[in-house]
Amino acid sequence: DQQVKQNSPSLSVQEGRISILNCDYTNSMFDYFLWYKKYPAEGPTFLISISSIKDKNEDGRFTVFLNKSAKHLSLHIVPSQPGDSAVYFCAASDGPGTASKLTFGTGTRLQVTL
Amino acid sequence: DGGITQSPKYLFRKEGQNVTLSCEQNLNHDAMYWYRQDPGQGLRLIYYSQIVNDFQKGDIAEGYSVSREKKESFPLTVTSAQKNPTAFYLCASELRDRHYGYTFGSGTRLTVV
Repeated sequence: DQQVKQNSPSLSVQEGRISILNCDYTNSMFDYFLWYKKYPAEGPTFLISISSIKDKNEDGRFTVFLNKSAKHLSLHIVPSQPGDSAVYFCAASDGPGTASKLTFGTGTRLQVTL
Repeated sequence: DGGITQSPKYLFRKEGQNVTLSCEQNLNHDAMYWYRQDPGQGLRLIYYSQIVNDFQKGDIAEGYSVSREKKESFPLTVTSAQKNPTAFYLCASELRDRHYGYTFGSGTRLTVV
C-alpha cells in the first residue's frame, strides 16, 4: 500500500520556466512533509519541508505548497536551472513519537533543458 | 567536517554469502536508518534505530540484520536469506529535529554475481 505517491515518474521543463512536482498521500496522520533531491549514485539531500500547520513554505527558488484537505503537496522551482535536473522524492512523517521515520514516494525525475 | 559515511561504494556478493555494509556518522545523531532503493520503487525502510543497543524492523526487514553497539555506527548485514539483494542501499541519520529530516550517506550499490 503506497501511502505517498508521486504519479509522474518524469518531468521535462525548459530552463527559466517553472517546475511543478506533485505528491499525494493517503495517511491522514502524516503531519510533516519533506522534499529531497537525489543525483545518480548519491544519497538524497534535504531540500525543503513543511509542517501541516502551514500551507506554504518558501526557500529561495523553492516553494512547497500543502493542501491538507486534498492530501496533496507540490514543489515549485522558479526559475528552473539545469543543475536542478535530478530525482525528487517527497516524504512524509506521522510524528516524532517513536522515530520520526519517513515514508517516501517513488520519485519524479526532473530534466531541465536548455 | 561532520557527515555520514557508507562503505564500500560498490560491493559484489556471490549467491549464498552474507555481506556487511558499513555506516558511520560523526554528527552525534541519535537515530539511524537503512533504506533500499530499487528502480521505480522509491526508498523502502529496512531497519531503524533510535538509541544504542535498540533497533526496530522496517517494512522490508526479512533477510537483513543490524546492530547498534555504538552511537556512531549502524552496520547492515545482507544475509543469504535475502532473495533479491541487488539494490542501492542508503544509510541515514537524524538529529530528531524534524525541520531537516535525515542526513543521508552516499550509498552502497550491492550486486549479486
